[in-house]
Amino acid sequence: DIQMTQSPSSLSASVGDRVTITCRASQSISNYLNWYQQNPGKAPNLLIYAASSLQSGVPSRFSGSGSGTDFTLTISSLQPEDFATYYCQQSSSTPMYTFGQGTKLEIK
Amino acid sequence: QVQLQESGPGLVKPSETLSLTCSVSGGSFSGYYWTWIRQPPGKGLEWIGYIDYSGNTNYNPSLKSRLTMSVDTSKNQFSLRLRSVTAADTAVYFCARRSGVAGLPFDYWGQGTLVTVSS
Repeated sequence: DIQMTQSPSSLSASVGDRVTITCRASQSISNYLNWYQQNPGKAPNLLIYAASSLQSGVPSRFSGSGSGTDFTLTISSLQPEDFATYYCQQSSSTPMYTFGQGTKLEIK
Repeated sequence: QVQLQESGPGLVKPSETLSLTCSVSGGSFSGYYWTWIRQPPGKGLEWIGYIDYSGNTNYNPSLKSRLTMSVDTSKNQFSLRLRSVTAADTAVYFCARRSGVAGLPFDYWGQGTLVTVSS
């Protein structure tokens, strides 16, 4: 199985900050990397697919980059509604599309 | 707009069978992998398995011996049965849609349903 490791596990930041979350795969996954946002008590919501493609309806302050084993999710200017938990997920190794352990973004 | 909705008991006794159904509306039922994912309280996401329109399945090896998925195309529903449950199976269970095209993500999710395993 492909293991996905996110860093940091938690992050404190302020409204307006630029933040970056990193995801590393245990082997190359090309650009088959997706990012989700999850608010408490809600289902994950797709933000980015294929490493850098913005899902329809997602604000442009979210961006993704990377290929191979190393990927990043960047939020250019944090808004109050962005404080949530973020998960990366690989879609290279079918059928088990494994997730990272999550990064909780908290208000400083 | 595609919508998924999980339904089933919120409480299951240890050693019994957990049964959930996901109802899909607003889109095509064919051409997708209909997936179950779970999340234990306070923890991360675990892929359980999927079923397609034709009834082909693929399961997480760690759950395979206890798991059965089925599909009812006449109702646009798919179901999960997990046998011999323990407290470790307590989780929010989500159903989700994944394109049949390799590499694409889970683009639509149900709201999730909490299943507690307790006597």
